[in-house]
Amino acid sequence: QFVLTQPPSVSGAPGQRVTISCTGSSSNIGAGYDVHWYQQLPGAAPRLLIYGSTNRPSGIPDRFSGSKSATSASLAITGLQAEDEADYYCQSYDRSLSGSYVFGTGTKVTVL
Amino acid sequence: QVQLVESGGGLVKPGGSLRLSCAASGFIFSNYYMTWIRQSPGKGLEWVSYISFGGDIVYYSDSVKGRFTISRDNTRNLLLLDINSLRVDDTAVYYCAREPRYSGKFFGFDYWGQGAPVTVSP
Repeated sequence: QFVLTQPPSVSGAPGQRVTISCTGSSSNIGAGYDVHWYQQLPGAAPRLLIYGSTNRPSGIPDRFSGSKSATSASLAITGLQAEDEADYYCQSYDRSLSGSYVFGTGTKVTVL
Repeated sequence: QVQLVESGGGLVKPGGSLRLSCAASGFIFSNYYMTWIRQSPGKGLEWVSYISFGGDIVYYSDSVKGRFTISRDNTRNLLLLDINSLRVDDTAVYYCAREPRYSGKFFGFDYWGQGAPVTVSP
């Protein structure tokens, strides 16, 4: 079940900045649990984009950045490129669901 | 380099069973929690189950509890998922993923396999 809500789609022109929100509650993001972000290119497995709410794994361009506040988190993509067109998912832990990790509903990013 | 390769997917009738395997290489397998995540056709990601370093701690999502069993063989670097009483809504691509944990903190699923498709149909 999805307890993290994301906008279904966002779009932007090449070079622009887009942000994707991830809204949770007091049992997940609001409880202090980290948020992680994944990018899924068409036909591919997801890959980790941001971990611990704000950190980039090695190899991830600094165009991608994450932030967290209260019961929500955001992923920002600056200098949007055609190769960024993909689905993006946030993920966290929810203490109301025994041992349960939860994913966001997913956001399709379209580069105009 | 880190590699995770799933196998065992296929077409199964409702009520049937399957065993998914995930062969790990390129890292010390026993140093990582491991997870199964699935994605139904055209849908989002759903966490299924995870297992601790030695296999003594396992958790399942409510949607699979009692039907799925996760296990691991650290001598063979193998993660397994036994799926029983399959339902049509279990149709999905099943991914195994590596889960770094240090000092009890979780750092995201940092490597994923390519996925094993499972189709449940009469």
